[in-house]
Amino acid sequence: DVKVTQSSRYLVKRTGEKVFLECVQDMDHENMFWYRQDPGLGLRLIYFSYDVKMKEKGDIPEGYSVSREKKERFSLILESASTNQTSMYLCASSPYMGTGEAFFGQGTRLTVV
Amino acid sequence: AQSVTQLGSHVSVSEGALVLLRCNYSSSVPPYLFWYVQYPNQGLQLLLKYTSAATLVKGINGFEAEFKKSETSFHLTKPSAHMSDAAEYFCAVSELANQAGTALIFGKGTTLSVSS
Repeated sequence: DVKVTQSSRYLVKRTGEKVFLECVQDMDHENMFWYRQDPGLGLRLIYFSYDVKMKEKGDIPEGYSVSREKKERFSLILESASTNQTSMYLCASSPYMGTGEAFFGQGTRLTVV
Repeated sequence: AQSVTQLGSHVSVSEGALVLLRCNYSSSVPPYLFWYVQYPNQGLQLLLKYTSAATLVKGINGFEAEFKKSETSFHLTKPSAHMSDAAEYFCAVSELANQAGTALIFGKGTTLSVSS
């Protein structure tokens, strides 16, 4: 089975902190994604990567950056956390040029206080 | 850009009743379509997918969906609801983000409640 593992299920950070959310997949997928999930808004794409060191902005990239130094690992970085970034963050992966079917991690619920 | 509309943010049914969750998409080319389910504090799990083969797609847990091109719809159904079906359901369409990959575009979700 495809496994996408997010390093933390729950995080509490202070405003202004630099926050790292880590994601690892074990199926050698080329594509990796970070989504943000908020009630009533569904999932919104923050960034995605289709290759090592490659990244593309999604619909809501402001306040975030990403890093992909190895194929299996995709990190989301909040440069200076703010309270409006309190949310559920979901990482996903998919194979190159497939149907788009994505495999999701368990999610990280981030609270910024 | 492609988009997905899920009609009804909250659907309530009785145990044993028909479940119908509605999804409409916009796309200028034949899309790939998906339904995912999310249980509380969990990630998303694939229920079923349409990839231009049969228009009636069967998924896990007794769910199925029918692709209707003329109506640009991909509604999810289950003949008889079970308490364990209570969850949030997301419809998604895949969009070619660039020549290298695809990204899923999601609807806003529908929360299904099942009462005994």
